[in-house]
Parts: sequence; C-alpha cells; structure tokens
Amino acid sequence: AQTVTQSQPEMSVQEAETVTLSCTYDTSENNYYLFWYKQPPSRQMILVIRQEAYKQQNATENRFSVNFQKAAKSFSLKISDSQLGDTAMYFCAFMNPLVQGAQKLVFGQGTRLTINP
Amino acid sequence: ETGVTQSPTHLIKTRGQQVTLRCSSQSGHNTVSWYQQALGQGPQFIFQYYREEENGRGNFPPRFSGLQFPNYSSELNVNALELDDSALYLCASSLAWQDNSPLHFGNGTRLTVT
Repeated sequence: AQTVTQSQPEMSVQEAETVTLSCTYDTSENNYYLFWYKQPPSRQMILVIRQEAYKQQNATENRFSVNFQKAAKSFSLKISDSQLGDTAMYFCAFMNPLVQGAQKLVFGQGTRLTINP
Repeated sequence: ETGVTQSPTHLIKTRGQQVTLRCSSQSGHNTVSWYQQALGQGPQFIFQYYREEENGRGNFPPRFSGLQFPNYSSELNVNALELDDSALYLCASSLAWQDNSPLHFGNGTRLTVT
C-alpha cells in the first residue's frame, strides 16, 4: 500500500519570505501522480499543484513550485513571496493511475502553515 | 459552472443512530468520491461512485454505504454510528476514466457523534 509522510506538523514564516514544505512517499509503482492541496479554514480542499511521475520537469504554478525527486521518493512544495492568504493546512497526496476507473487519493497528515504579517 | 455542494454543513448524532450526507457534483462531472477526515489528520478515501455503482472502496466497514443518482449527485450513509465516526466528510467530483481529471472538493459536512 502507498503511504505519504509529511514530517513538518507546523511551519511559520513572515510575509514575503519563501517556505518549503516536505513530503515523502512510498510506492512500488513507476507511474503515478502527486499533488499538493491547500485546506483553508473554509475546509474546502483546493488543488495547488500536480506532478506526473513520468515528467522530469518540475511543475510550477505562479508562486508555487515543486522539487520532485523520483529516486528519493520526495516531493516538496516551495511557496515564493508568501502571502497572508497562503495560511492554511497543506496536504501532499499520491494517486495511482486509474484502477477500474477509480481515482483514489492517499493523503499525508498535513502541515499547518502560518504566514505572519 | 456550479461547484461541489454538500449538505448539511454540520450535524450532531447519537451513537447507534444512522446518518445520511448529501453531495451535488460539479456540473459536467460524472464521478463522486467520499473522504473521511478525522481532526488533525489527512482525508481517507471511503469509496467512489460512477454510473450509480461503487467502483472503488477504501478500508471502511460495510456500515458505510453510498448511492449515486442519475443526475450524478450522491449520498453517504453511515449506520450504527460510533464515536470514532466523528469527522469532516468531504465529497469530491471528477470525470471518470481520465487520469488527468482533477478532483473538485466541496466544503464538507462536520459530523459529531455523542
């Protein structure tokens, strides 16, 4: 079974700083997908960024980028120029390619990120 | 484009009772998944429905069951509630059979079992 581990329960940085959230995972699969989700107090899970394992290039979405190290099974999220609105729980998640059409996300325990003014 | 909506927002039940949670999928989506998120934890996959049938299930007992309707909306039913069932229940919709179809989540239903 796949597992996802986030070793940083909480992080706190000043506004405009850069912060990196860590994630490691365990799988025997060669093809899979990795995600970072943000969960603000509104409770809705919001997709921040995704990475396909077969792509060597790291994904980037505006201020958000990832460092995907497939051999090390590591998938960290970097937030540049952090903003107060980035304050939230961040979850790393793993998904195998479709099994009978089912999309099953396996989530880590989360990292609570606080951006201070 | 209408997003994923869940009802009710909050719910309090007594141990041993039964509960039904509801979810309306995002327009154009035909698949619904349910997740349980205990306090301070990441969400755990309960099951997924496509074409009104369950097509994937996580490690949850049979007292967790679901339905999907022709309009793709869905219900999650939990029988014989236990204290450990207290959690946030998240619904997500997507397009079936497409690896790259992102899951869109609702705001969840907070269930408290006393």
